Amino acid sequence: QLQLRESGPGLVKPSETLSLTCTVSGDSISSNSYYWGWIRQPPGKGLEWIGYIYYTGKTYYNSSLEGRVTMSVDTSKNQFSLKLTSMTAADTAVYYCARENTSWANYFDYWGQGALLTVSS
Amino acid sequence: DIQMTQSPSSLSASVGDRVTITCRASQSASTYLNWYQQKPGKAPKLLIYAASSLQSGVPSRFSGSGSGTDFTLTISSLQPEDFATYYCQQSYRTPYTFGQGTSLEIK
Repeated sequence: QLQLRESGPGLVKPSETLSLTCTVSGDSISSNSYYWGWIRQPPGKGLEWIGYIYYTGKTYYNSSLEGRVTMSVDTSKNQFSLKLTSMTAADTAVYYCARENTSWANYFDYWGQGALLTVSS
Repeated sequence: DIQMTQSPSSLSASVGDRVTITCRASQSASTYLNWYQQKPGKAPKLLIYAASSLQSGVPSRFSGSGSGTDFTLTISSLQPEDFATYYCQQSYRTPYTFGQGTSLEIK
């Protein structure tokens, strides 16, 4: 059974950089049929797609984050990571990692349990 | 960006009711439309992908339809475990975008 698990600091100060890692177990991250994505959800609000990374390192980011996002992948550890710079209170959210199935349509079929990230001094 | 608008934003219904939630895209999303269920404190769960395909393990009382700009999620007979928030999501064009959610509450 595929599982994804986010890990990160929980609390970040304004202007600092967020680093989150998603560890994938139960299958290899190096598969042709999947992208690996990040989605976030501010408390009490809806879902926002942040971007995805392919196992080759190809990335696509949501332009709304204006160049603050960097994703990377480590196939040897079966992990992928998110960095988000210049954090503000508006970035406080639950951050989810998810597998995007691209077999013949594109959809998020497996999700991590989420990591709450609070931006506060 | 493709804007996704769900209606209604909230809905009260009873166990056994048939419920329909609508999702409208600001431009065509073809059939690249997915539906998720989210319960408090939990990650979203995929119900329907590609507008009408039922995800493995999801009860058959859930169904989806539509193409282009107009989509629906139908629950044929509400069960107690179905009370949750539902989101549509288009994956036709990046950035992927979600609807604002429909909160389904017990009447």
